[in-house]
Amino acid sequence: KAGVTQTPRYLIKTRGQQVTLSCSPISGHRSVSWYQQTPGQGLQFLFEYFSETQRNKGNFPGRFSGRQFSNSRSEMNVSTLELGDSALYLCASSSNLYSGANVLTFGAGSRLTVL
Amino acid sequence: AQKVTQAQTEISVVEKEDVTLDCVYETRDTTYYLFWYKQPPSGELVFLIRRNSFDEQNEISGRYSWNFQKSTSSFNFTITASQVVDSAVYFCALSESEKTSYDKVIFGPGTSLSVIP
Repeated sequence: KAGVTQTPRYLIKTRGQQVTLSCSPISGHRSVSWYQQTPGQGLQFLFEYFSETQRNKGNFPGRFSGRQFSNSRSEMNVSTLELGDSALYLCASSSNLYSGANVLTFGAGSRLTVL
Repeated sequence: AQKVTQAQTEISVVEKEDVTLDCVYETRDTTYYLFWYKQPPSGELVFLIRRNSFDEQNEISGRYSWNFQKSTSSFNFTITASQVVDSAVYFCALSESEKTSYDKVIFGPGTSLSVIP
């Protein structure tokens, strides 16, 4: 069974640009979550999608957005990039069968560098 | 508010030593779930264990063991006879109860473990 696939793995952007990251969950998983990981802030929850609906959002500015498609694949977008957006962006999927108890399966991440 | 604290930022041990990673959590929920994840240098977090708030039984899985103590809000993780392959960042995490249907896991800051041969 294929794992969670994130593309691209690495990318470099300049300030002011925008970026789109993609995540393909494990087949059958309908919940997709996104996390930002930085050395200073650790793993921070961005948002979670289920059946194309954003159910929860973390404390990030509106420049961070996402969406989920009918096949459960998800994208996140960051507009007007800032230096502080440099991070490893991790996507995780779950079957969401058990409220609160779901095990997250993570992808390898997309490492974004903003120059 | 929910919070997970891992006081140990970095730990170095010599191979075959035992090591315990500490985790303290805060939550107002009576029902919650605790997790440990491992992040090797490749970057992909790997699930290790899940424990619900009603199950305080300690668990042993091979060289890994977990000590859950609700009275002290701690969920510590011990690696016995550590190996170089155990070198990774370990995250303790907390998830809300059945009151919510969505996945929102709060992670601790992580403990970086280096096992020296």
